[in-house]
Amino acid sequence: KNQVEQSPQSLIILEGKNCTLQCNYTVSPFSNLRWYKQDTGRGPVSLTIMTFSENTKSNGRYTATLDADTKQSSLHITASQLSDSASYICVAEGAGSYQLTFGKGTKLSVIP
Amino acid sequence: GAVVSQHPSRVICKSGTSVKIECRSLDFQATTMFWYRQFPKKSLMLMATSNEGSKATYEQGVEKDKFLINHASLTLSTLTVTSAHPEDSSFYICSARFPGGNYGYTFGSGTRLTVV
Repeated sequence: KNQVEQSPQSLIILEGKNCTLQCNYTVSPFSNLRWYKQDTGRGPVSLTIMTFSENTKSNGRYTATLDADTKQSSLHITASQLSDSASYICVAEGAGSYQLTFGKGTKLSVIP
Repeated sequence: GAVVSQHPSRVICKSGTSVKIECRSLDFQATTMFWYRQFPKKSLMLMATSNEGSKATYEQGVEKDKFLINHASLTLSTLTVTSAHPEDSSFYICSARFPGGNYGYTFGSGTRLTVV
């Protein structure tokens, strides 16, 4: 069964600090790994997309890594801002199926 | 680019009534759209895949007679929750895949449905 597990479930950090969110997936065959940011009461917004051949992808202060061998990904947020407070969702897409498997998300709270 | 507009953002309805949620692709044609449901602190759950000009494909356990999906054009898909009950209260999100195979999915802003 395809699964995506994220850790931690929730995280509180001080404004200006860095943090790293983790994602493990068991989707097979695997096509790509996506990270989304979801504000409360809003739809997910894409941060990064990595195919199985990519190891890292950056989008401003967000940097995602992917290890397709160990089926692990991480999202690193640099110099956090209050507006980074949201849920971050890891999503794995299966090859040829258009089927997305969603993690439950990590709820990040950035406090002053 | 690749914007999906979802309306309404919030709706409150009485038990037994029906509610229609619209999902429009504003700057691209979406042959396939997806409808998700999200419970608090849970991940998005795929309800159905909506294909333009044909019947939607529903996931196991989703009542197709309760959640009616229509994808009559390349830019519009609708989800109608029929005879709504309080347990249908949830956050509904639509999504569309970019054409051309560049791996992009874009999501609507979601609809908070409350059935009273």
